[in-house]
Amino acid sequence: DGGITQSPKYLFRKEGQNVTLSCEQNLNHDAMYWYRQDPGQGLRLIYYSQIVNDFQKGDIAEGYSVSREKKESFPLTVTSAQKNPTAFYLCASRQGSNTGELFFGEGSRLTVL
Amino acid sequence: DAKTTQPNSMESNEEEPVHLPCNHSTISGTDYIHWYRQLPSQGPEYVIHGLTSNVNNRMASLAIAEDRKSSTLILHRATLRDAAVYYCILEGAAGNKLTFGGGTRVLVKP
Repeated sequence: DGGITQSPKYLFRKEGQNVTLSCEQNLNHDAMYWYRQDPGQGLRLIYYSQIVNDFQKGDIAEGYSVSREKKESFPLTVTSAQKNPTAFYLCASRQGSNTGELFFGEGSRLTVL
Repeated sequence: DAKTTQPNSMESNEEEPVHLPCNHSTISGTDYIHWYRQLPSQGPEYVIHGLTSNVNNRMASLAIAEDRKSSTLILHRATLRDAAVYYCILEGAAGNKLTFGGGTRVLVKP
């Protein structure tokens, strides 16, 4: 079945460590997105990419990095520079126009110990 | 980016209609209105979207004011599975990104 797969679902990390969250889609979508969600809050955009080898900063990009080397993959690295990385991370994709439906993965919950 | 304003929460009884308001007084002529909902511990899912005319699909209806400064998502018969946070979002013609605000938490009582 087509969809978006995020891994791992749960992740624990020590302070000062970088961690990479995986996001893979087999929907042949051009655009991919990373959002962060804190408890009881809405989603905030971290990075997005509309085509391979190109990506743009969202509203809260500091302390994060991404790559888009393949159309189906958009990994997010949470670096040690991110001051408060504990959160729920959501990846999404869509065909790329402003009438296109966003499809979300099941999310990755990161906890920094 | 144009912003939206939604009530923090709403309650409804099961099998009754739910009307979720969204104000977007600074909307531009090319902004689309999107609605998504998020169930607990899941990613959001698409509900409906529109530009100027009212829209209907199997999940809901979207009523857009004539001046487009507000819209209402209508769930015709609420079920317990409709309990979720509902987000009203505007997206411009460039179509680069969707920005989610705080949303409305809907509680459905049996």
